[in-house]
Amino acid sequence: DQQVKQNSPSLSVQEGRISILNCDYTNSMFDYFLWYKKYPAEGPTFLISISSIKDKNEDGRFTVFLNKSAKHLSLHIVPSQPGDSAVYFCAATGPFGNEKLTFGTGTRLTIIP
Amino acid sequence: NAGVTQTPKFQVLKTGQSMTLQCAQDMNHEYMSWYRQDPGMGLRLIHYSVGAGITDQGEVPNGYNVSRSTTEDFPLRLLSAAPSQTSVYFCASSWDPNNEKLFFGSGTQLSVL
Repeated sequence: DQQVKQNSPSLSVQEGRISILNCDYTNSMFDYFLWYKKYPAEGPTFLISISSIKDKNEDGRFTVFLNKSAKHLSLHIVPSQPGDSAVYFCAATGPFGNEKLTFGTGTRLTIIP
Repeated sequence: NAGVTQTPKFQVLKTGQSMTLQCAQDMNHEYMSWYRQDPGMGLRLIHYSVGAGITDQGEVPNGYNVSRSTTEDFPLRLLSAAPSQTSVYFCASSWDPNNEKLFFGSGTQLSVL
């Protein structure tokens, strides 16, 4: 049972436009969410996170929005740049400490110059 | 600063062979873990360790062994390789078990024939 779902395997966006990557989760105990970015032949790198006590977190061009009632989060990248082309993984964890991350299946973002 | 180092980068095994994937980190992180990445499955936790001498099972531990004799090293052993273990393996570490911001190695691509 996939508790964290990224329903779009791929997304193409024009350079300079907004990229929106979506993630849905089913476990209501999840209370901390992260996005990781992965380039080919490299390991994932942490991008941005959000706690369930917030509904938005911003870091430069990257903003993550959390809608707890819908069990949905999204990553917005504005403006999109060619270097943003990568696979993006959504991940979630619970409140009890020592929780292990549950990852989504990833979305491949391609920025078209 | 090397971060998390995995060796080898590529490996081909025959069914039934055994081997060890090496992982070392130089950040003095207490928490280390192994994930496998398969198409359409995201990243799944195999085993993890919260400190030297302590290991525990993740989501998909069968067929794998780990040990943690030092803070720096966390090798993953395949006891008798099977084609189902063909995957990309990532080692990750963080400052403590409750810190979800993982640092990943660059991965080992394993093929079992």
